[in-house]
Amino acid sequence: DADVTQTPRNRITKTGKRIMLECSQTKGHDRMYWYRQDPGLGLRLIYYSFDVKDINKGEISDGYSVSRQAQAKFSLSLESAIPNQTALYFCATSEVRGGELFFGEGSRLTVL
Amino acid sequence: ILNVEQSPQSLHVQEGDSTNFTCSFPSSNFYALHWYRWETAKSPEALFVMTLNGDEKKKGRISATLNTKEGYSYLYIKGSQPEDSATYLCAFDDYKLSFGAGTTVTVRA
Repeated sequence: DADVTQTPRNRITKTGKRIMLECSQTKGHDRMYWYRQDPGLGLRLIYYSFDVKDINKGEISDGYSVSRQAQAKFSLSLESAIPNQTALYFCATSEVRGGELFFGEGSRLTVL
Repeated sequence: ILNVEQSPQSLHVQEGDSTNFTCSFPSSNFYALHWYRWETAKSPEALFVMTLNGDEKKKGRISATLNTKEGYSYLYIKGSQPEDSATYLCAFDDYKLSFGAGTTVTVRA
């Protein structure tokens, strides 16, 4: 089983719908991240959390919200999905500052 | 938004040839520079995390160097093989990671 698990892996939805992407990890890491990947743009940081009580906006947080339910769980929500949120979303964890990231398998979201 | 640039965007290499490509990043607030390898239909995986100016790291045929004063890192692939085909991402780490757009390497047999 993967150490960082994302659900769903694929989702097609319509404009205006609320969508939640979930991430859970068994690595025991405090630091968790949500990135989105668009062709030609690399990975862009949406939100990050350094512990359960710490939530921070990344470079592209508008239109997204997150919840850190426990050390192991970090969920990303799109309150009202729009087509330009169509992307591949990655959750990642790290153990310490400067530590390597461990990525989930990605969640491909299509907003029609 | 931090400016992390990778060049070239893509390159094609003949099997057996060596190649290298660049990551440039801000020279201030540096904590670490990461390199990741991302194969199609998989998740990115860490190659190196480099923290000290002058650092050199090596893993098999892949190596990397770091110059924090001028803000660049090189990734080298020696004797490229088809399995080296992937997108290579660098990430600047101040207290969070900002990624470049990647260099996509295609190794032709």
